[in-house]
Amino acid sequence: DAGVIQSPRHEVTEMGQEVTLRCKPISGHNSLFWYRQTMMRGLELLIYFNNNVPIDDSGMPEDRFSAKMPNASFSTLKIQPSEPRDSAVYFCASSMSGVYNEQFFGPGTRLTVL
Amino acid sequence: AQTVTQSQPEMSVQEAETVTLSCTYDTSESDYYLFWYKQPPSRQMILVIRQEAYKQQNATENRFSVNFQKAAKSFSLKISDSQLGDAAMYFCAYLKRDDKIIFGKGTRLHILP
Repeated sequence: DAGVIQSPRHEVTEMGQEVTLRCKPISGHNSLFWYRQTMMRGLELLIYFNNNVPIDDSGMPEDRFSAKMPNASFSTLKIQPSEPRDSAVYFCASSMSGVYNEQFFGPGTRLTVL
Repeated sequence: AQTVTQSQPEMSVQEAETVTLSCTYDTSESDYYLFWYKQPPSRQMILVIRQEAYKQQNATENRFSVNFQKAAKSFSLKISDSQLGDAAMYFCAYLKRDDKIIFGKGTRLHILP
């Protein structure tokens, strides 16, 4: 199994640009999580999906952030427009249904907004 | 609201020695899970150990063990016989049913050769 796949691994963009982060969960997992990691705030859960349906998006910082999961094997996290304070490492994780199941994390995307 | 506190931003330990990472949490729940995750420089998040709150016995995984004190809401991680590959960020996390996982801010562990 390839594990959770995220792309790109690194993204450098200019303020105001749209950024799209991609995630492919582990096959058979039906829960998917997006996290943001910064030195100031540690690891924060942004949103999670169960069976492609967003369950809790209370961690999404503001309307500039949106996430979709059009099917069981693909999810995107979009930031539009991006701002320098969005610079962070974004992780995607997946698990079997049921929040007590182990979450498997992808390698993360390091986003830098200039 | 639940919180997870890791009071040691950084720690160092000599190779082959034992080190303990601290974690405290705040909750009014009785049924929950606690986790330690390891994040090496590769930035992958790796589950090190998990503890169910209803179990009194401390979880252990090879060189990793926890000291779970439910009444004190403490969940420390002990790493025995530290190895260079143990160098990483370690995150403590709390999870209760039908809720989202909550992480501490992490402890960066350095292994001194």
